[in-house]
Amino acid sequence: SYVLAQPPSVSVAPGKTARITCGGNNIGSKSVHWYQQKPGQAPVLVIYYDNDRPSGIPERFSGSNSGNTATLTISRVEAGDEADYYCHVWDSSSDHLFGTGTKVTVL
Amino acid sequence: EVQLVESGGGLVQPGGSLRLSCAASGFTFSTYWMSWVRQAPGKGLEWVANIKKDGSEKYYVDSVKGRFTISRDNAKKSLYLQMNSLRAEDTSVYYCATLHCTAASCSPTEYYFYHWGQGALVTVSS
Repeated sequence: SYVLAQPPSVSVAPGKTARITCGGNNIGSKSVHWYQQKPGQAPVLVIYYDNDRPSGIPERFSGSNSGNTATLTISRVEAGDEADYYCHVWDSSSDHLFGTGTKVTVL
Repeated sequence: EVQLVESGGGLVQPGGSLRLSCAASGFTFSTYWMSWVRQAPGKGLEWVANIKKDGSEKYYVDSVKGRFTISRDNAKKSLYLQMNSLRAEDTSVYYCATLHCTAASCSPTEYYFYHWGQGALVTVSS
């Protein structure tokens, strides 16, 4: 079955850039979606189709996807960006699959 | 405003059954695939099941096949998850979510979860 690997945690200072990776075999051939989840809340879609933003999501959120790694980039990080982030793909062996999740801590 | 409101969660003994409901409003329910996604305490997200707009196709994660049944009532704008033979490892918050595709061609890989409910906690314990 397909596996998506994310780093357990990423720490970043306010105003700096956070990069969260999502590794998978030839993930560049798939559409990758990203979700933000704050404690006690439902997930929120922040990026779909690798680098599209839903309405209401700040331009500070962007994505890329190539080879075996997809990346969610958060520019000019704010305290309110502190959350868990999950990548998501569909694969014929696993159907819908989420990454292991990355906790972003704003220092 | 789009709203998804889950209900029916609670404490159930191993081997027992529970039925979750998700009431939808603020969008044309019958035109969207719908899903259940769960999250065990302190763990990550896990997709559970999908159902097509008209209910004619259903898909499940292997761990719930034969035990869980997803269904919908478009007239009532409601999504359901019947859970039988529950196990301790089914303990999770269960979210209902809409599946969206805005690509030119909507193959399974092009669908993403857009609107989410607030979740319903299911605890399986004796």
